[in-house]
Amino acid sequence: DTGVSQDPRHKITKRGQNVTFRCDPISEHNRLYWYRQTLGQGPEFLTYFQNEAQLEKSRLLSDRFSAERPKGSFSTLEIQRTEQGDSAMYLCASSSSGANTEAFFGQGTRLTVV
Amino acid sequence: AQSVTQLDSQVPVFEEAPVELRCNYSSSVSVYLFWYVQYPNQGLQLLLKYLSGSTLVKGINGFEAEFNKSQTSFHLRKPSVHISDTAEYFCAVSESWAAGGYNKLIFGAGTRLAVHP
Repeated sequence: DTGVSQDPRHKITKRGQNVTFRCDPISEHNRLYWYRQTLGQGPEFLTYFQNEAQLEKSRLLSDRFSAERPKGSFSTLEIQRTEQGDSAMYLCASSSSGANTEAFFGQGTRLTVV
Repeated sequence: AQSVTQLDSQVPVFEEAPVELRCNYSSSVSVYLFWYVQYPNQGLQLLLKYLSGSTLVKGINGFEAEFNKSQTSFHLRKPSVHISDTAEYFCAVSESWAAGGYNKLIFGAGTRLAVHP
């Protein structure tokens, strides 16, 4: 298994454009998380899926953000009408079931909004 | 709500010297504690975790951490660092849910460890 895969690794977009990121978790993991990391800060939780159900969304996830995991496998995170403040590293992680099993992180997608 | 404070934003140290990276947390419930390492342009890798049991936890790459409940601390230590340990280190907590809980992690702001020859 190659671990958690994120695509693209880098994205530069103009303010106001929509962007979509993809995360492929470790195949046997039913839990998937999205985090956002801005420069000089630790990752901040955005949302969590168990299988295809989105069970928690952070207040950081404004109406312009939407995440899906349609078949309980890969997930997408879309940002509509991007703003410069959206520039960050978006990290995906996955884990198996059970109390506090280890979450494995992908390498992230770095978004730059110009 | 939980929070994590990493007391040092940067820690410079010479190669083969010991190092301690400090972490304090705040929570009204029992927590699990983690240390992650992040190399430039990479994701996060788990160094070690405390779930229960012995308060001294050993991790990968020679790192260890000690959970101190009375001081709400979880400091990371290594007796002798290498150049390759240069990276960003993050302390994190999650609520100690019953079985079936999931690990939404709350991270500190990170400590940049710079190992010099």
